[in-house]
Amino acid sequence: EVQLVESGGGLVQPGRSLKLSCAASGFTFSDYYMAWVRQAPTKGLEWVASISYDGGSTYYRDSVKGRFTISRDNAKSSLYLQMDSLRSEDTATYYCTTQTHWGQGVMVTVSS
Amino acid sequence: DIVMTQGALPNPVPSGESVSITCRSSKSLLYSDGKTYLNWYLQRPGQSPQLLIYWMSTRASGVSDRFSGSGSGTDFTLKISGVEAEDVGVYYCQQGLEFPRTFGSGTKLEIK
Repeated sequence: EVQLVESGGGLVQPGRSLKLSCAASGFTFSDYYMAWVRQAPTKGLEWVASISYDGGSTYYRDSVKGRFTISRDNAKSSLYLQMDSLRSEDTATYYCTTQTHWGQGVMVTVSS
Repeated sequence: DIVMTQGALPNPVPSGESVSITCRSSKSLLYSDGKTYLNWYLQRPGQSPQLLIYWMSTRASGVSDRFSGSGSGTDFTLKISGVEAEDVGVYYCQQGLEFPRTFGSGTKLEIK
């Protein structure tokens, strides 16, 4: 069974950092591009970042470029999102996804 | 960025009726490999998104054949034949042609 389990969310003050993790199982992790997609409370889905199979290529939405870093460890079947200089508008549920499969999401709240 | 525009439904929809959800992209999603990079997702209340359709018309594994996707390079339709209670939620289209990946704003389906 395919599983994607996110962790690392929580309440953080503006300007601080947080690192999200996603543990994958049930499929060959290195065969998939991976992505983070977020959803602000009561809002729609918003793509955040993607990473290629071997991590050699990364892509970001403009609003997080220079602040967020997506990475992966294929040996550990894990995906990460390092979030620096967090803003209130980053408050959302963050999903780890292969596009076909989605995690349950992890909440990030940026507030003083 | 490619803009995805979704239409609304005349909610609530009577159970058993067929509905079509529309989505339009600001750029053709037809790639040189002959595939059209348009995905449809359903997000049921309180749940993570679920992939329904990819490449505009290919049903994802385990998805009911009541769901079908069609369209051209820029205009797309998700048809649900005979809506059921379990179909309630928000439907999103997403383009997978370019980065940044972009989603439509969502189409809510309610059933009476």
